[in-house]
Amino acid sequence: DAKTTQPPSMDCAEGRAANLPCNHSTISGNEYVYWYRQIHSQGPQYIIHGLKNNETNEMASLIITEDRKSSTLILPHATLRDTAVYYCIVRVFNSGNTPLVFGKGTRLSVIA
Amino acid sequence: GAVVSQHPSWVICKSGTSVKIECRSLDFQATTMFWYRQFPKQSLMLMATSNEGSKATYEQGVEKDKFLINHASLTLSTLTVTSAHPEDSSFYICSFLAGGLITDTQYFGPGTRLTVL
Repeated sequence: DAKTTQPPSMDCAEGRAANLPCNHSTISGNEYVYWYRQIHSQGPQYIIHGLKNNETNEMASLIITEDRKSSTLILPHATLRDTAVYYCIVRVFNSGNTPLVFGKGTRLSVIA
Repeated sequence: GAVVSQHPSWVICKSGTSVKIECRSLDFQATTMFWYRQFPKQSLMLMATSNEGSKATYEQGVEKDKFLINHASLTLSTLTVTSAHPEDSSFYICSFLAGGLITDTQYFGPGTRLTVL
């Protein structure tokens, strides 16, 4: 699976939009972009995934560039409970037993 | 949404004893599941992959005789840490793969904190 690059940490003011970037310049045509987050001492939580179209759900929006080499996860109105490590992972969809491989992610701190 | 439970959430044991961690998917069935562990200030590391009814496949460096995985059904898997030692102290996390034509997403349990004295 292609590797991803994320900034190690970011701060965001409470109530503001949090924009988390991810670079995946070597992504293959059949690889999806997945986002998870891990709140301290908990298991990872699925947020969203996409292939090439922008996606939105109740948690976040995912914006993927036209060349698919990068993406941005947007939390529209960050709260203190959004403080977590956010992981951007690329993976072939329906690849059977292929597990998610976690990098170091971005530690997002939401500040009051 | 998909819910995965783990039990216990934390356990403290003496060196040399065995510990069993149970992982259940509560509202979906999954053929494939994964076990990860996470040391302090590090990312998740895959330990093994298992399919229901089959033997688990372990990652390099993970001892299969020490970390026994039993994927008994489509909703239940257990990880037994045998003869635990202090270096096995870690955060263990299970994950079920909800696969299909439309969905292909891993859902994670809340994790089990193991401390070996």
